[in-house]
Amino acid sequence: GEDVEQSLFLSVREGDSSVINCTYTDSSSTYLYWYKQEPGAGLQLLTYIFSNMDMKQDQRLTVLLNKKDKHLSLRIADTQTGDSAIYFCAEMYTDKLIFGTGTRLQVFP
Amino acid sequence: SQTIHQWPATLVQPVGSPLSLECTVEGTSNPNLYWYRQAAGRGLQLLFYSVGIGQISSEVPQNLSASRPQDRQFILSSKKLLLSDSGFYLCAWKAGGPQYFGPGTRLTVT
Repeated sequence: GEDVEQSLFLSVREGDSSVINCTYTDSSSTYLYWYKQEPGAGLQLLTYIFSNMDMKQDQRLTVLLNKKDKHLSLRIADTQTGDSAIYFCAEMYTDKLIFGTGTRLQVFP
Repeated sequence: SQTIHQWPATLVQPVGSPLSLECTVEGTSNPNLYWYRQAAGRGLQLLFYSVGIGQISSEVPQNLSASRPQDRQFILSSKKLLLSDSGFYLCAWKAGGPQYFGPGTRLTVT
C-alpha cells in the first residue's frame, strides 16, 4: 500500500538551515504537501508542490521534489526558535492524504 | 475566506460514556470533510471522510461513527467510549485544493 516515511527527529542551531526529508511510494500522486504542527494545535499547511515541478520556493521555505527517487524535502533557511514543531509530509492519493509519521524539529540557541 | 471550527476544544469522559464531536466549515460549499485521530502527538490516522451530505466512508473499523447532517457539518460519535479512544481528533476540509485542518479536540477517556 501507500507509505510515506520521514525521520523522527532533527535538531539544528538557530540561524542554520534545516532540511527535512520524506520518501513516498505512489508515483501517481499529483500533489505533495508539508504541514507544521505546534504543540496542542492543529496542522497548518505550509506549502505544497505539484508533481510536475522540481522545486518551489516561498520565502524561507524551499521544497525539492525528486520524482525518480520519490523523495521530497523541505528546507527552512535561517531557522528560528519559532520553527520548532512537528513537520508532516503528505501525498494525495485518491482524494485522501497519506501522512508520514512526522519529523520533530528542535531549534536550539 | 474559509474557516473551520471544532468543539469542544478539550473533553474528559469516563469509559462507557457517549461522545459527540462537532466540526463546521464556513466560506465554502460541498467540501470533502475528514476526521483524523492523532495519538501521542504523532502520526495521523484517517477515521472517516465524506464527499457529500449523508455520504460517509469509514477507513478503520472501531466503535466510532460519523455523520454529515448538513453540507458543512461533520459529527464524530460513539455510543460507548473505550480507553483507547483517547487522543487528539482533527477535522479537515478540502474543496478542489489542499486539505485544511481545524484546531482539534483533545479527548481523554478515564
